[in-house]
Amino acid sequence: GNSVTQMEGPVTLSEEAFLTINCTYTATGYPSLFWYVQYPGEGLQLLLKATKADDKGSNKGFEATYRKETTSFHLEKGSVQVSDSAVYFCALSFFNKFYFGSGTKLNVKP
Amino acid sequence: DVKVTQSSRYLVKRTGEKVFLECVQDMDHENMFWYRQDPGLGLRLIYFSYDVKMKEKGDIPEGYSVSREKKERFSLILESASTNQTSMYLCASSFQTNIQYFGAGTRLSVL
Repeated sequence: GNSVTQMEGPVTLSEEAFLTINCTYTATGYPSLFWYVQYPGEGLQLLLKATKADDKGSNKGFEATYRKETTSFHLEKGSVQVSDSAVYFCALSFFNKFYFGSGTKLNVKP
Repeated sequence: DVKVTQSSRYLVKRTGEKVFLECVQDMDHENMFWYRQDPGLGLRLIYFSYDVKMKEKGDIPEGYSVSREKKERFSLILESASTNQTSMYLCASSFQTNIQYFGAGTRLSVL
């Protein structure tokens, strides 16, 4: 079946540190892959996406590359800010049905 | 701007009550979804709908039903609320782009 596994949190970093949140997936075909972000008290917002192998999604300094050979879609940012503190969800979409990871909480300290 | 509106941010209900959670989108999307979000479990799909009056069960439909009488509105119904339905409920909609747009969520407490 289809599923997403992402690293457990919380992840605590100092401002300007490098961020990696790991995400791997299992899929029966060729899904689209997404990262969503949830700020405190809000719903989920799309952060970035990739629709085929080797595509790189990027937005607001975050990026992730669709790696078919390792079935991964790790989220990275070179220098985090306090305002990046949120919960990050990796997700895959296959035939219009979404599968979400359990979420990783990121805390960035000044 | 894309907008998905959930009627309540917070709800407190008693065990056995019938509960309605409303969701409205203004983007003319065909697809609408209801999830519940619980710590450590991420988002789990309850029901979804690909068209008016059409519904399909998600991964955890037990204890829930839905209604889609108009394209823009998708309602989640708890026929007889129980304490294990205390959760955050998220509504989403999507079109052919495959991107889901979410509402702000309804935090439901069942006492």
